[in-house]
Order: sequence, then structure tokens, then C-alpha cells
Amino acid sequence: DGGITQSPKYLFRKEGQNVTLSCEQNLNHDAMYWYRQDPGQGLRLIYYSQIVNDFQKGDIAEGYSVSREKKESFPLTVTSAQKNPTAFYLCASKPWQGGFSQPQHFGDGTRLSIL
Amino acid sequence: EDQVTQSPEALRLQEGESSSLNCSYTVSGLRGLFWYRQDPGKGPEFLFTLYSAGEEKEKERLKATLTKKESFLHITAPKPEDSATYLCAVQANQNNQGGKLIFGQGTELSVKP
Repeated sequence: DGGITQSPKYLFRKEGQNVTLSCEQNLNHDAMYWYRQDPGQGLRLIYYSQIVNDFQKGDIAEGYSVSREKKESFPLTVTSAQKNPTAFYLCASKPWQGGFSQPQHFGDGTRLSIL
Repeated sequence: EDQVTQSPEALRLQEGESSSLNCSYTVSGLRGLFWYRQDPGKGPEFLFTLYSAGEEKEKERLKATLTKKESFLHITAPKPEDSATYLCAVQANQNNQGGKLIFGQGTELSVKP
């Protein structure tokens, strides 16, 4: 079955530590996205990538970094510079849009907490 | 500024009690409006896309409608398994080459038997 796989499901970070969240898709989608979800707030865009080896900052990119070396993979690193990393992180992908907007499809998320 | 507001924040229904969820939006040209369902601890699941005012989409007990300023998700005779958070998102036309979405904060629906 095609889909988006995020791992791990739960992750704990120590002070001063960088952690990397994995996102893999086998849908042959061109665009991939990372969102952060906090209680009572809408999803906020961290980074997105439309093609391999290219990515753009979203609305809350500070303290995060990404890479897009392969079409199917878009890992997110939460650096020690992100002072409030506790949240639910969601990865999404979509085909490159033609005339109409295509929906984004989501993985099942990674919950990151501070130790 | 592009913005999406959902109401109510939470809705409690009895099984079989029909109701509607609201999504109000202000964007610089609407390219698409999306409804998602999210279960606790899971990622959002795509439900509908609406592109232009007057458009309607249906799936089982759910029906989504769109006007120039808002969208409604109508739930007819809901069942307990319809309990979830429903998210609305819009894609604006201008300055949006990346297909970015703007999300509302969601409506948490609880349906009691």
C-alpha cells in the first residue's frame, strides 16, 4: 500500500541535543511538507520542498533544518536552537499540482517531548 | 493577511443529531479549500476538496459546501465513529508556488450513543 511513513512515533530530546525525524513516502509525490501541531492551534508550516535538492522555509523555520536528497525522503532535524520543541510533528506530501490544487496527504506523526 | 477560523471549537452531539461545522476564510484568491478528519494521535485524513462557490461534495454522512467566505461541513445523523477533530485548510492563489495550506484550529466533534 502506498503511503507516508513517519518514524519514530515517540521521541524524547535532552537539553542541547539535536534530533532527526524521518519521513518516507512511496506515493511518487513531488512536494513534501513538515508541520508542527500544538494543542488548540492549527497546523503550522515548518519547511517544504517541491523538488529534490531544493526546499523553502515555512512560517516557523527557526530552530529546524531539513534535507531533500531523494524524492521519497524528507527528514526534519530539530536543533538545540529550538527552545520549545515539544509538539506533534506531521509530514505531508502531494503530487505537483496541475490546473487544480491537489490535497496533501499526511503521515501519522511523531510526538516529540523534552526529557 | 490570509486567515482561517473554525467554529465551534468543540461540539457534542447525540447519535442521530444532525449539525454543521463552520470554516470562515479570508484569502487573496482561493485555489482550493480542504476538509480533513483527524483522530487522536493520528495524522489528518483527507475528506474533500472544494474549488468554487456553490460547489458541494458528499461522502456517507458528511456533506461539504462552499461560499465565497465560508465552508460548512454538514453531518447528518452522526454515529459515535464520527467523533474526531475536523480540520479546514485553504490554499491561496497568490504568492503560493509551493502549494502551502493555511489551517484552521479545528473543531473537536464528540458523538455520544
